[in-house]
Amino acid sequence: GAVVSQHPSWVICKSGTSVKIECRSLDFQATTMFWYRQFPKQSLMLMATSNEGSKATYEQGVEKDKFLINHASLTLSTLTVTSAHPEDSSFYICSSRDSYSYEQYFGPGTRLTVT
Amino acid sequence: QKEVEQNSGPLSVPEGAIASLNCTYSDRGSQSFFWYRQYSGKSPELIMFIYSNGDKEDGRFTAQLNKASQYVSLLIRDSQPSDSATYLCAVNSSSYKLIFGSGTRLLVRP
Repeated sequence: GAVVSQHPSWVICKSGTSVKIECRSLDFQATTMFWYRQFPKQSLMLMATSNEGSKATYEQGVEKDKFLINHASLTLSTLTVTSAHPEDSSFYICSSRDSYSYEQYFGPGTRLTVT
Repeated sequence: QKEVEQNSGPLSVPEGAIASLNCTYSDRGSQSFFWYRQYSGKSPELIMFIYSNGDKEDGRFTAQLNKASQYVSLLIRDSQPSDSATYLCAVNSSSYKLIFGSGTRLLVRP
């Protein structure tokens, strides 16, 4: 399957600071990338869909000004959690869709802890 | 009604047995169906996808799709303890978004 990387794999930050998470598709061009959040023992929750060169589409209830998404190239999308609070602590996972198929491949995830 | 439904489990099977995981979906227009495996603390890994009615086999895994009944299943033959994980069923919506079920936890007993 396709390879998707995420950086960092884990991060601890203080309340009120911002954190940037990078998602890269390493061996294919990803027209569309997706950002998910997963709380312990819960299923994946789609936060937003990121299309290269255009604004991200956010799911209902997700604050676009708090979770800034940039998809500047076909291989890189970033998620910035602004003014993080402890309730933002979660497992953030990106996925990439190959331009020529429907399959989504997930990155390894970033575990964010806000103290 | 949830769009994609799965029994949360856990489904417990002995090593070497066949594990059968089921999933139903509500959108009749869905075209693409996926099974992901997620180990605790890890991200999901794509293990099977199926687009047409019938069976699709890949090694020990077989995906089965029945669009008329709106269900998709995953069979794991010769189950191993390393197969113990949560299995997520996902269905393509009209866009490229995937709708995930809440997952079925599988336990394979040695």
